[in-house]
Amino acid sequence: DTGVSQDPRHKITKRGQNVTFRCDPISEHNRLYWYRQTLGQGPEFLTYFQNEAQLEKSRLLSDRFSAERPKGSFSTLEIQRTEQGDSAMYLCASSLDPQQETQYFGPGTRLLVL
Amino acid sequence: DQQVKQNSPSLSVQEGRISILNCDYTNSMFDYFLWYKKYPAEGPTFLISISSIKDKNEDGRFTVFLNKSAKHLSLHIVPSQPGDSAVYFCAALYQKVTFGTGTKLQVIP
Repeated sequence: DTGVSQDPRHKITKRGQNVTFRCDPISEHNRLYWYRQTLGQGPEFLTYFQNEAQLEKSRLLSDRFSAERPKGSFSTLEIQRTEQGDSAMYLCASSLDPQQETQYFGPGTRLLVL
Repeated sequence: DQQVKQNSPSLSVQEGRISILNCDYTNSMFDYFLWYKKYPAEGPTFLISISSIKDKNEDGRFTVFLNKSAKHLSLHIVPSQPGDSAVYFCAALYQKVTFGTGTKLQVIP
C-alpha cells in the first residue's frame, strides 16, 4: 500500500498528558499537511511542510502543538498538556508540488481526551 | 468566517438518478476547487477538481460546474449508485485548502 498512513488510528488519553501522532506520506510527495476535523465540520488546516520546512501554521495551532518533519519524509504532531477540546480527528495529507490542489489523505488519528 | 459553505447537510437520491451537491464560496482569490468523498472511519478521498479559469470538468460519472460570477460550484453524479453514499466535502485552494462542512449523500437502492 503506497498511500498516506497514520499511526495510531485511535488514542485515548487523560487531560494533561502529552500525545504524539505520526504520518507517513506518499513517498514522492514533498508537501505534507496536518488538519483537524471535529464532528459536523470539514477538515481545518493546521500546518504544512514543504520537504522539511514548515511553511505555514494556522492560528488554530496553539503553543501546545508542535509539528516536525525532520528529514522531509514522515512527520509527527505532538500535543502537550492535552485538553478536552483537543478531542478530534487529526488528518494528514500529502501532495506533489506544484499539484498541491490534489492532496491525498491518510485515515486519520482519532483523539479522545478524558 | 466560513469561506466555503455547503448549506445542505444531507441529500437523499434514488439509485440511477442524478445527485447534485452544491457549494458556495466567498473568497474570489481561490484558484482551485475540489471535491472530496469521505466514508466513516476513513480520510477524505480526492474526487475531482476544477481550476478557476474553467467552468466545467468531467470525469466519468462526476462533473463539477463552476459559476464564478455567482461564487458557486456544484458536483453532479450521474447515475448515482449506492456506493456513492458518503459525506462529500467541497474545498477551495488559495495558498491553503479550505473545506466546507460537508453534505451527507444517501443513494437509495
